[in-house]
Amino acid sequence: QVQLVQSGAEVKRPGASVKVSCEASGYTFANYAIHWMRQAPGQRPEWMGWINAGDGNVKHSLNFQGRLALTRDTSASTAYMELSRLMSEDTAVYYCARSTLSTLTYWHLDLWGRGTLVTVSS
Amino acid sequence: DIQMTQSPSTLSASVGDRVTITCRASHSISWWLAWYQHKPGKAPTLLIYKASTLESGVPSRFSGSGSGTEFTLTISSLQPDDFATYYCLQYTSYSQYTFGQGTKVQIK
Repeated sequence: QVQLVQSGAEVKRPGASVKVSCEASGYTFANYAIHWMRQAPGQRPEWMGWINAGDGNVKHSLNFQGRLALTRDTSASTAYMELSRLMSEDTAVYYCARSTLSTLTYWHLDLWGRGTLVTVSS
Repeated sequence: DIQMTQSPSTLSASVGDRVTITCRASHSISWWLAWYQHKPGKAPTLLIYKASTLESGVPSRFSGSGSGTEFTLTISSLQPDDFATYYCLQYTSYSQYTFGQGTKVQIK
């Protein structure tokens, strides 16, 4: 079954870091990119960045420069999103999603995880 | 940055109704637009990409149209399983993705 399975909900203090995982199954992990989005309560989804699951190349949204680390473990078919220096405004559901790596087209997101709730509270 | 304006924010409709949702881009995005359906607690699902290409396995009652700055998602005959929130997404580069604010389709 082709799917992305995300890790469970997290509660963090302001200033801490959070690491969310996204395990892929049912397809060749290294042939795709994994994107990360978040959706704060009542807000539209926001794109954060992507990682090429094959070569590890990354691209971040400028909104997260310096706080966001995207990594992957090809042996585990798992991508990771780590966000540091958390603030209350980072409270959101975080999603991973897959896209092609084709150079012939721009990349839509064709498979999503169910999301991981991250709550930042003192 | 490209901004996406989606309307309406909420839509009340009955089973069998024809439903249309619109997304407008602040600049031309050619046809680099996708539509998603999202139900609470579930993974969002891709309906349409490249403005009008139906994703495999998606019922044919869903269709997309438009190019440039104005796009529509149409559900030709609303079914009980279609009550959900719908989002558009523009993807005009490898480093810029912007979502619409969403349209909640609810039972009239």
